[in-house]
Amino acid sequence: ILNVEQSPQSLHVQEGDSTNFTCSFPSSNFYALHWYRWETAKSPEALFVMTLNGDEKKKGRISATLNTKEGYSYLYIKGSQPEDSATYLCAFANFNKFYFGSGTKLNVKP
Amino acid sequence: NAGVTQTPKFQVLKTGQSMTLQCAQDMNHEYMSWYRQDPGMGLRLIHYSVGAGITDQGEVPNGYNVSRSTTEDFPLRLLSAAPSQTSVYFCASSNGQGALETQYFGPGTRLLVL
Repeated sequence: ILNVEQSPQSLHVQEGDSTNFTCSFPSSNFYALHWYRWETAKSPEALFVMTLNGDEKKKGRISATLNTKEGYSYLYIKGSQPEDSATYLCAFANFNKFYFGSGTKLNVKP
Repeated sequence: NAGVTQTPKFQVLKTGQSMTLQCAQDMNHEYMSWYRQDPGMGLRLIHYSVGAGITDQGEVPNGYNVSRSTTEDFPLRLLSAAPSQTSVYFCASSNGQGALETQYFGPGTRLLVL
């Protein structure tokens, strides 16, 4: 069983704040790192699939970086909006198996 | 496209009963998988399939069976339900062999075992 850890567990920010979360994963047998956004009462929605050390991905105000050598990925949200409130999950992909972290729950107050 | 569909949305079972959770996708995806989600824990992989006729175990396979007779369908069977199987179950699919491709999740099935 592989250990994937996300921090912090939860985060409360004001609208307009920028924020970031961390996903830590094993640095060996790396295939890919996935980020998902999960809103309450919905199903997880893919944000990024990251495969190469040094990868940087961006979608609107959300971006992510990847360091496979030290086993971590950061997710950044610039200028948080109330609609960004959700749980953000990362998943370490080892060949065909995915290992999810328990998520960071973000609450953005208007 | 309907994407990934799951039925039922909610089910109550008694200990020892059997049931099948249905999952279907209309995107011609090769990779399909089942997860369970429990409070305070991340999604945990139960079983996965890389194509019709091929299945393999994930992190928590005990108590569950799967089969993949068609590309579209990937049912999850509970042979003798236990209270520990109370959970929310998600099915997902992706193109290709899984790790490098975006996964698309179904809406989930909430299962309560009494």
